[in-house]
Amino acid sequence: KAGVTQTPRYLIKTRGQQVTLSCSPISGHRSVSWYQQTPGQGLQFLFEYFSETQRNKGNFPGRFSGRQFSNSRSEMNVSTLELGDSALYLCASSLVEMNTEAFFGQGTRLTVV
Amino acid sequence: AQSVTQLGSHVSVSEGALVLLRCNYSSSVPPYLFWYVQYPNQGLQLLLKYTTGATLVKGINGFEAEFKKSETSFHLTKPSAHMSDAAEYFCAVSARDNFNKFYFGSGTKLNVKP
Repeated sequence: KAGVTQTPRYLIKTRGQQVTLSCSPISGHRSVSWYQQTPGQGLQFLFEYFSETQRNKGNFPGRFSGRQFSNSRSEMNVSTLELGDSALYLCASSLVEMNTEAFFGQGTRLTVV
Repeated sequence: AQSVTQLGSHVSVSEGALVLLRCNYSSSVPPYLFWYVQYPNQGLQLLLKYTTGATLVKGINGFEAEFKKSETSFHLTKPSAHMSDAAEYFCAVSARDNFNKFYFGSGTKLNVKP
């Protein structure tokens, strides 16, 4: 079956702009989580969505937001981009039952200039 | 709160040698434990996980890890390194009551010398 699909793969934006990243989970997976990966901070949890509701949230400013649609697809938005937002953004999908694994997409590489 | 410590940001081994990547966690109760691998410009791929049961867990590509509660450790090993094992490895934990939120270690880059 198809894996987790993230679009676009690469993105270049200017400071102050906003950006929207998309994640299509594996069919049947209803939980979608987002992570930011940077050389300095490593992998950090942004938020998790389940059934169109944010279930968990990490320690990121309000400029980072997300949503989930009825088909489980998710988007995350970053407003007023800063240079420090340059990162690889990873999406993971999973079933909601315990003892299951999270499957990661290939990520979106965001560069803010 | 949970945290993960990976000792050694870079590990270099010769092809055919033992691979040992160290991971210690801090958690008030034993969490779920995972090892993921990341190749350049790729996402994360699950190598193995421990949730319950046998503390020695076997994963893909010949890797295994042992959960040691008394040492709060979950070290990753492979008896014989292959060139294709060169990648970055991440140890992660999640809480048993919040298992879709991962806390990752800082990663260990494995270099395999011919």
